[in-house]
Amino acid sequence: EDQVTQSPEALRLQEGESSSLNCSYTVSGLRGLFWYRQDPGKGPEFLFTLYSAGEEKEKERLKATLTKKESFLHITAPKPEDSATYLCAVQAMNGYQKVTFGIGTKLQVIP
Amino acid sequence: DSGVTQTPKHLITATGQRVTLRCSPRSGDLSVYWYQQSLDQGLQFLIQYYNGEERAKGNILERFSAQQFPDLHSELNLSSLELGDSALYFCASSVDRSGEQYFGPGTRLTVT
Repeated sequence: EDQVTQSPEALRLQEGESSSLNCSYTVSGLRGLFWYRQDPGKGPEFLFTLYSAGEEKEKERLKATLTKKESFLHITAPKPEDSATYLCAVQAMNGYQKVTFGIGTKLQVIP
Repeated sequence: DSGVTQTPKHLITATGQRVTLRCSPRSGDLSVYWYQQSLDQGLQFLIQYYNGEERAKGNILERFSAQQFPDLHSELNLSSLELGDSALYFCASSVDRSGEQYFGPGTRLTVT
């Protein structure tokens, strides 16, 4: 069964203090790994798709990277508006198209 | 705004009752996914439809059912409701069967 483990569960940063969130996964043939951002009480918002090891994607202060076993979401010089829960998800190559989500990392950026 | 709409926003009902949640996908999207999100459990995949056909099933209880109509909107039916069914229910859509999904604002279900 596909599994996604995210760490840490919660992270508190000072504004401007860069850090990384980790997503470890096991899947029988990776079709894609996805990062989402979720604000409290709202639906997740799509950020990135990564397909193969070595791939990187960037958006503003966020950069996602992928290896064969894990993905990192690097946050450079975060601002308070980056505070949210960041979700990682994987989709397998097999005939089932379901996406398996991790529980997320709750990020709080203090001014 | 993702372009995915869900109704109602909030629903309060009693144990044993039946409710229907409705989702309209983004224009042009053929896939609809349903998820349940409880406080400590994260997003749990329930079921996926693609162009009217069921394509994947997750941890969906037998008391729950769904369908996708010819106009591509979808409904999730929850019956014989229990206290533990209280959660946020999200619908998401995608162009194909990609994991790049666009989520609606959710329906918050409270079972009393």
